Amino acid sequence: EAGVAQSPRYKIIEKRQSVAFWCNPISGHATLYWYQQILGQGPKLLIQFQNNGVVDDSQLPKDRFSAERLKGVDSTLKIQPAKLEDSAVYLCASSASPGLAYNSPLHFGNGTRLTVT
Amino acid sequence: AQSVAQPEDQVNVAEGNPLTVKCTYSVSGNPYLFWYVQYPNRGLQFLLKYITGDNLVKGSYGFEAEFNKSQTSFHLKKPSALVSDSALYFCAVRDPYYGGSQGNLIFGKGTKLSVKP
Repeated sequence: EAGVAQSPRYKIIEKRQSVAFWCNPISGHATLYWYQQILGQGPKLLIQFQNNGVVDDSQLPKDRFSAERLKGVDSTLKIQPAKLEDSAVYLCASSASPGLAYNSPLHFGNGTRLTVT
Repeated sequence: AQSVAQPEDQVNVAEGNPLTVKCTYSVSGNPYLFWYVQYPNRGLQFLLKYITGDNLVKGSYGFEAEFNKSQTSFHLKKPSALVSDSALYFCAVRDPYYGGSQGNLIFGKGTKLSVKP
């Protein structure tokens, strides 16, 4: 099966600019996650979708970050305006249907490495 | 609150020797535990999981992990290390009784495994 697709792989922007990341999960996976991985740390959940609805966005800095999954398939994560501390790898992951969520591993994309200068 | 600790930033092993990467956890109920591996510039790949049952769990690439409830540990092991095992390893926990999102994984900060020939 095709894996989780993310683009772009790398992005360099200046602070206060905006940026968007795209993710296409594994076909049939209803649950989609965006994680932020700062260098030297483990991934931290930003937002979780179930189909096109938000399940958890408690750790999403909503003053500058937004995410959507309009048709319940692919998703975009946006940062506007970016800050220096947003420099990180942004990972998208997907997993199987809710009934299996606890048992199912997450399948990760290769991530987008964002550098804010 | 859920948490995961990986006490070692780096583990160095000679090829052919056994390896252990340590992980301890803290959750309110019975944990679901996972190990992921991350190669440079790649997303995380699932290695193995413990949900219930036998305390010794076998996973991909010859890795195994031992769940110890009394010590709240889930150490990753491999009998004979390969140079190609060199990567970043993440332990993660999911608490099925946590009131937040059903799919959220809490990751440790990661342990860099270096296997020398």
